[in-house]
Amino acid sequence: DTAVSQTPKYLVTQMGNDKSIKCEQNLGHDTMYWYKQDSKKFLKIMFSYNNKELIINETVPNRFSPKSPDKAHLNLHINSLELGDSAVYFCASSGGLDTDTQYFGPGTRLTVL
Amino acid sequence: KNQVEQSPQSLIILEGKNCTLQCNYTVSPFSNLRWYKQDTGRGPVSLTIMTFSENTKSNGRYTATLDADTKQSSLHITASQLSDSASYICVVRGLTGTASKLTFGTGTRLQVTL
Repeated sequence: DTAVSQTPKYLVTQMGNDKSIKCEQNLGHDTMYWYKQDSKKFLKIMFSYNNKELIINETVPNRFSPKSPDKAHLNLHINSLELGDSAVYFCASSGGLDTDTQYFGPGTRLTVL
Repeated sequence: KNQVEQSPQSLIILEGKNCTLQCNYTVSPFSNLRWYKQDTGRGPVSLTIMTFSENTKSNGRYTATLDADTKQSSLHITASQLSDSASYICVVRGLTGTASKLTFGTGTRLQVTL
């Protein structure tokens, strides 16, 4: 009965590859997010989806493409991976854009070699 | 530019002792401020949320304070336990017209030892 789940937990890949990270929430929330946490532990929002529509798209390379097949899922596809993409990626959800409590997933540690 | 700065960057205390973490922000207009706890290898979990009109709020051994005039918040942990070892992140929500935006602090890494 995990609230926000992500797969995989760890991802190690070579530069130039394409990879996807999946996120699912069973909280019935309308809004989902992707965050990147770098080696200095700084959390930065990448995308926000509300009811399957892109709401926030921070300055993120277009190699990153989120896809929301339904309200409960927000997947992150990354093309042509670079060394600087190595980080922990967190998915989160909340009841609405301005509904404050965000529930975070366990994170996916991506290592690009 | 909206900023959220936290201090100290890291802190080591003995089990049973109290500690206070600081958060200063420049986000304006301000909507609310939230403290998150992030255990190693886990996602952040919300501890408290404070709006403009609230000065203090407690959640068990955690007590958050807010001074909206000086744009400062603190998180006080009483009688620390080993399980309090984590990163504590201050997040400020600002208002921009009809939208709002979250600004994250870089966190304080707390280690509680025996």
